[in-house]
Amino acid sequence: DTAVSQTPKYLVTQMGNDKSIKCEQNLGHDTMYWYKQDSKKFLKIMFSYNNKELIINETVPNRFSPKSPDKAHLNLHINSLELGDSAVYFCASSQGQGRNGYTFGSGTRLTVV
Amino acid sequence: SQQGEEDPQALSIQEGENATMNCSYKTSINNLQWYRQNSGRGLVHLILIRSNEREKHSGRLRVTLDTSKKSSSLLITASRAADTASYFCATDTGGGNKLTFGTGTQLKVEL
Repeated sequence: DTAVSQTPKYLVTQMGNDKSIKCEQNLGHDTMYWYKQDSKKFLKIMFSYNNKELIINETVPNRFSPKSPDKAHLNLHINSLELGDSAVYFCASSQGQGRNGYTFGSGTRLTVV
Repeated sequence: SQQGEEDPQALSIQEGENATMNCSYKTSINNLQWYRQNSGRGLVHLILIRSNEREKHSGRLRVTLDTSKKSSSLLITASRAADTASYFCATDTGGGNKLTFGTGTQLKVEL
């Protein structure tokens, strides 16, 4: 059983398109996150949700819209994709405000052409 | 802004040797965590050290924390080829709602 699962694993799309990435965790964690990893492997937080409520929006363009239908799911919708959005997007979850570490998904490699 | 800087950026050693990676950060922390990322995979949590702790062990891993110098080190003893990966430190500056990651060290362990 995968603890944090993301779909799709790979996504190739044209500029201007709209796409979604889905994330689900079966750990019973109360907090979920989206991180972006660029080509230099630098990881930057995008969003954090606690019990379905947005608690961190790290100055992400409003083309990115997260949605958490319940505390086990956190999806990421991206409008009007740009070349600079190409990256690996990681979903993660934690319990108790992350004081025992985060569990990451395996990532979604987004390529915008 | 980036919280953690790691040193070295890349490290290549022979199997059986020890590997030491260092992490420096800028602001006060609640805890510092180390993660491993194998190529093309997600990050795996290795160890967490709280701000009031100075050293922690887990198997072949030893982590130290010096809050006065705002630095941490990760030591992997008796390295194996399977330890080849990127290693990241991450700081929790409060609330646990956001981990800020360092730049990572790419470790290569050769047979």
